[in-house]
Amino acid sequence: GQQLNQSPQSMFIQEGEDVSMNCTSSSIFNTWLWYKQDPGEGPVLLIALYKAGELTSNGRLTAQFGITRKDSFLNISASIPSDVGIYFCAGQRDSGYSTLTFGKGTMLLVSP
Amino acid sequence: GAVVSQHPSRVICKSGTSVKIECRSLDFQATTMFWYRQFPKQSLMLMATSNEGSKATYEQGVEKDKFLINHASLTLSTLTVTSAHPEDSSFYICSAPQERGGPETQYFGPGTRLLVL
Repeated sequence: GQQLNQSPQSMFIQEGEDVSMNCTSSSIFNTWLWYKQDPGEGPVLLIALYKAGELTSNGRLTAQFGITRKDSFLNISASIPSDVGIYFCAGQRDSGYSTLTFGKGTMLLVSP
Repeated sequence: GAVVSQHPSRVICKSGTSVKIECRSLDFQATTMFWYRQFPKQSLMLMATSNEGSKATYEQGVEKDKFLINHASLTLSTLTVTSAHPEDSSFYICSAPQERGGPETQYFGPGTRLLVL
């Protein structure tokens, strides 16, 4: 099935550094979601974006819904070791009852 | 706290047997649930949409006779992997939409690790 273009594929950073990752699509989405997945666990919702241009924060995380509705980015400020995991973006065309299209994920490793 | 649960969390079975995985919405009703499969180091791939009171909708390439879905109630969907083979070994995850102070958003269960020997 269709997947979003998510980059970077992986990142290895020092604790305290800021991180940025993004997703792009050739088609429009009306909702952008960012999830984090720890090994052996299901994805956990971090931030949901519902309007083009929307900028939303959740603690040290900030995400934006691109104005063209074809992209989104996620920033993590002042990273800590527990930020380690795989981050997935997901696009949704309609309501919460419509299917999600996932990016391939960004693996984040944080060195203490 | 968790809004979607799955059982079992992991299962090992012999090739040729069937395995049932449950997905439950906690404290809310879910007329729709989604089933995903995730292979190691890959993203989640949608397998099917489970609909309460009607047949599931399967994604292209997913065999409906092999992956039986039953949305038994407004809080329970089951995925049965029939005649499992080693290539069916994977991480199976369900999700359900819920409103939590905003538009419906999909929340995921903790996943079920299936190993077919």
